[in-house]
Formats: sequence, C-alpha cells, structure tokens
Amino acid sequence: DAGVTQSPTHLIKTRGQQVTLRCSPKSGHDTVSWYQQALGQGPQFIFQYYEEEERQRGNFPDRFSGHQFPNYSSELNVNALLLGDSALYLCASSLPSRSGGYTFGSGTRLTVV
Amino acid sequence: KNEVEQSPQNLTAQEGEFITINCSYSVGISALHWLQQHPGGGIVSLFMLSSGKKKHGRLIATINIQEKHSSLHITASHPRDSAVYICAVVGPDSNYQLIWGAGTKLIIKP
Repeated sequence: DAGVTQSPTHLIKTRGQQVTLRCSPKSGHDTVSWYQQALGQGPQFIFQYYEEEERQRGNFPDRFSGHQFPNYSSELNVNALLLGDSALYLCASSLPSRSGGYTFGSGTRLTVV
Repeated sequence: KNEVEQSPQNLTAQEGEFITINCSYSVGISALHWLQQHPGGGIVSLFMLSSGKKKHGRLIATINIQEKHSSLHITASHPRDSAVYICAVVGPDSNYQLIWGAGTKLIIKP
C-alpha cells in the first residue's frame, strides 16, 4: 500500500516563474494538507483540501493556490516565485474520520534562484 | 506560550544511551503524533497516540491525557537515530489541524 507520493522531489525555478507541485494521498485518505518548511524552521500550514474544496488556509498570500481532484490527489501552485519561497513543501493526507491519522510525503525541495 | 512545548530543544548522547524526549500541550486533542525528520529529508510518522503506550522496535511512546503530556523513548540509541523529533497534536481545539512543537534535535555519537 503506497503512502503519500509527492512529485517532483527536487525543483529549481527562477524568480517570477510559476510552479506546480503534486501529491497523491495514501489509499483511503480523502484530505490533503500542504506545508512549507523553510530551512531550519518548522513546517508552516499552507492549506487543506477536502472534497475538492479548500477547507482551511494558513497565513499565505494568494500566490499560493491549490486544487484537489476527484481521486483526492492535489496540486499546489505558486505564482510569481520569490527567493523566499525556497523551501521543502510537504504534503500530508489524513483519514476520512478526521481522527488525526496523518501520513506524510517525502516532500518537494523547491529552490528559487 | 506555545500550545505544544517540547523538551529538550537539543540533545546529544552517546551510542547505547536511553533517550527521552518530552512533549506537553495545552489544547484539547484527538491524537498526538511523534514524527522524525532527518536533515534535508521529509517527515516520517513514528507514532500516533490517543491514549496509553505504543512500541515499535527500540521506540516507545506514551501519553497521559489527563496531564496533557507525552514522551518518546529510544532504547539502545544508535547514530542513525540522529534526527529532529517533532511532537504534533491534532484535535477539535485546532479544528483538526496539526499544531507542531518546535522539535528536538537529537545527536547520537558513536
């Protein structure tokens, strides 16, 4: 049973460009959360998707947007990249019962130059 | 005051030592996670606890719901255990979002 799969694993982009990161949740999970982890910092909550809608959002600008597909997979889009967007982007999926059972992906390392 | 407090912040020990990392929280929870992150790596969920105790190999996690406290123990520690260990809680008080502790950086010397 595959866990959470994220792609790509590493990515280098130029300032001003746009990027799309992808996440496939663990089988049976319907909720996907995205986190940004800057080097040496703890993860910061970006947003959570459930039933193809953004259910909750952290303190991130509108340049950060997402989408959830009918198969529960999700995308994170970041427009007009800034150097400060360089980070590890983590995806976590969770159980339908909302009992707190999170499974994490290995992350996508984004470097903006 | 942070809703999830971990101690110690940093811990260096010799191979073979018994390790304890503590986590205290101040919110109502439905579950508590212990997570492991190696440098530059993704996050691995070690345990999810809602009560009692769980054991996996050399790792043991306990939680006391009444005292709002959890501990992660590592027996016979090994250099490969060197990582950041993070306590994160989830529950109704957080609208089912993860609330993260600051992490404990563990270094096991051979």
